Amino acid sequence: NAGVTQTPKFRVLKTGQSMTLLCAQDMNHEYMYWYRQDPGMGLRLIHYSVGEGTTAKGEVPDGYNVSRLKKQNFLLGLESAAPSQTSVYFCASGGVYNEQFFGPGTRLTVL
Amino acid sequence: DAKTTQPPSMDCAEGRAANLPCNHSTISGNEYVYWYRQIHSQGPQYIIHGLKNNETNEMASLIITEDRKSSTLILPHATLRDTAVYYCIALLTGANNLFFGTGTRLTVIP
Repeated sequence: NAGVTQTPKFRVLKTGQSMTLLCAQDMNHEYMYWYRQDPGMGLRLIHYSVGEGTTAKGEVPDGYNVSRLKKQNFLLGLESAAPSQTSVYFCASGGVYNEQFFGPGTRLTVL
Repeated sequence: DAKTTQPPSMDCAEGRAANLPCNHSTISGNEYVYWYRQIHSQGPQYIIHGLKNNETNEMASLIITEDRKSSTLILPHATLRDTAVYYCIALLTGANNLFFGTGTRLTVIP
């Protein structure tokens, strides 16, 4: 039982490049989430999904897109990366009572 | 979601109980209290949650006052690996945005 996994663990991009972060969970959770955490700050919700085929905007959705084509996967895309998107990105999946289980994070640097 | 207030930092001797307080005086009747922790550079970890009854699991105990305006997370026998930032969050079940705030930085001292 791997829980929540994230790919890749680290990435460096140049301004304007695009990339996709992959989150996978094996707990059969309906809910999945993408957060970002800037140094010394709390987590901020980017997008979330309440089930396969659905997505919704969180607190800071601009510059990001998401897709949930399969229940176990939640993808976060950056179409044109900017230095302001340098952050640590955490994915989570949610249980019945909204307890959220987090992945190890992806550390993204945009130059 | 109700605002929560926690002390910024606490120390605890290894092997002793760590009692982390949280005030949530504006909590509504159907908001749960959740506790998470984040060990340096790792993803947040769910610990426990409750509505009005005390709860216990393999990690911790959660004591909620009768008026639900405050709660205490208890780590019964703190270890060095419990050093982390602990977050208390009041949230409706089904709501989606965990607001972590600044939390309490717990340092377990050998």
